[in-house]
This record gives sequence, structure tokens and C-alpha cells, in this order.
Amino acid sequence: NAGVTQTPKFQVLKTGQSMTLQCAQDMNHNSMYWYRQDPGMGLRLIYYSASEGTTDKGEVPNGYNVSRLNKREFSLRLESAAPSQTSVYFCASSEQAWRNLNTEAFFGQGTRLTVV
Amino acid sequence: QKEVEQNSGPLSVPEGAIASLNCTYSDRGSQSFFWYRQYSGKSPELIMSIYSNGDKEDGRFTAQLNKASQYVSLLIRDSQPSDSATYLCAVNIGSGAGSYQLTFGKGTKLSVIP
Repeated sequence: NAGVTQTPKFQVLKTGQSMTLQCAQDMNHNSMYWYRQDPGMGLRLIYYSASEGTTDKGEVPNGYNVSRLNKREFSLRLESAAPSQTSVYFCASSEQAWRNLNTEAFFGQGTRLTVV
Repeated sequence: QKEVEQNSGPLSVPEGAIASLNCTYSDRGSQSFFWYRQYSGKSPELIMSIYSNGDKEDGRFTAQLNKASQYVSLLIRDSQPSDSATYLCAVNIGSGAGSYQLTFGKGTKLSVIP
């Protein structure tokens, strides 16, 4: 049981390049999330998908787009990478997003992205 | 801005002692509360969830929630060097469909000294 799988694990981009971070979960979870983690800033929510077919902005959505491809997969796209997007990106999933129970989020192993 | 606050530490405790980690949150409507452990260079790992006022125990870990004071804590009994990590408090600030956001504190770094 793999849980949440992210690809790639490491990536170096040049300013202005585009790329897509892939995330897949095999836990039949309804909700999926993208976070970024920067030193001194903690984990910040970029976008989330409460259920298949829906996406919503989080705290720091600028410069990113997302696609909930199906129930398993949730991708994050950087259209024109900037050095400020250098970060560690985590994908997470939970059974559901908005009830009192079963909202525990489980994380992938992360993608270390450097934009030069 | 809905916030989750933690003391950044580092918090140093001797092996075998009780480590006490604290977290406050600003949204009175919050319903779900979580503690994650994150080792350096690794992803966050869920260790406790708590939804109701009071204490919840799981092995050496006890989570405590006081919604009136908007305060959640984590106690680690018989601390081990392997507990040395950053502990993240997370709060579900959503209150209905489509309004979910899991907000994290910046984390408290715990060092257990052998």
C-alpha cells in the first residue's frame, strides 16, 4: 500500500520554465491538497480539492494551477517558474475535507524544487 | 487571518522526561485538531488527532484539547532520542462544505538529550 506518491522527488528549473508535479493516492480518499514548506514559514496550503471535480484556492495560490484528474490524481502546475517558488512541495490526501471526523491528512514524500 | 501559533523552540528535554508541546488557534469554529511529527528532510507524519474537549491517549502520546481556551497540547511521556523532531500543530478551520483549510503552525523543534 503506497499511500500518497509524488513525482518527481527533485527538480531544478530555470526561471520561466514550466513543469507539473504529479500526485497520486491509493487510499480512495476524496480530498487532496498541495502544500509548500519554506524555512521559517511552515506548511502553507496552495490549492485543495475537497472532492473529485472541485478545486479551491488556499493561502498562497498565485503562480500555480491545479487539476484533479480523477479521484486518485491531483497535479500542480507551475506555468512560469520564479525563484520565489523554490520550496519543498507536499501533496496530501484525506478521506474527507469538511466533516468533524476522518479529516486526517496523509502526506507524500515531497518534491524539492529549485528555480534558478 | 486565521492562525495557528506554536513556540518555535528548540525545546530540550532529558531522556525519560515528559515533553510538553503547546498550540493556540484563532478560529473559534475549528472542529478538528492534529499533531504531526516531521523529521529533518522527511514528510509530516500524523501522530494524533483530537476532535473533542479533554484528553486522548495513544501509547506515550497524550493530546489535550480545550476549545474554550482555543488551546491544544501534546505530551510525550518517557521521551526518547528518537522523538527528536519538529512537531507541527494543525487545525481544520473549515466549518462547512467547500470551506476546508487545514492550517499548520510553524512547528516546535524538540531535542531529547540522552
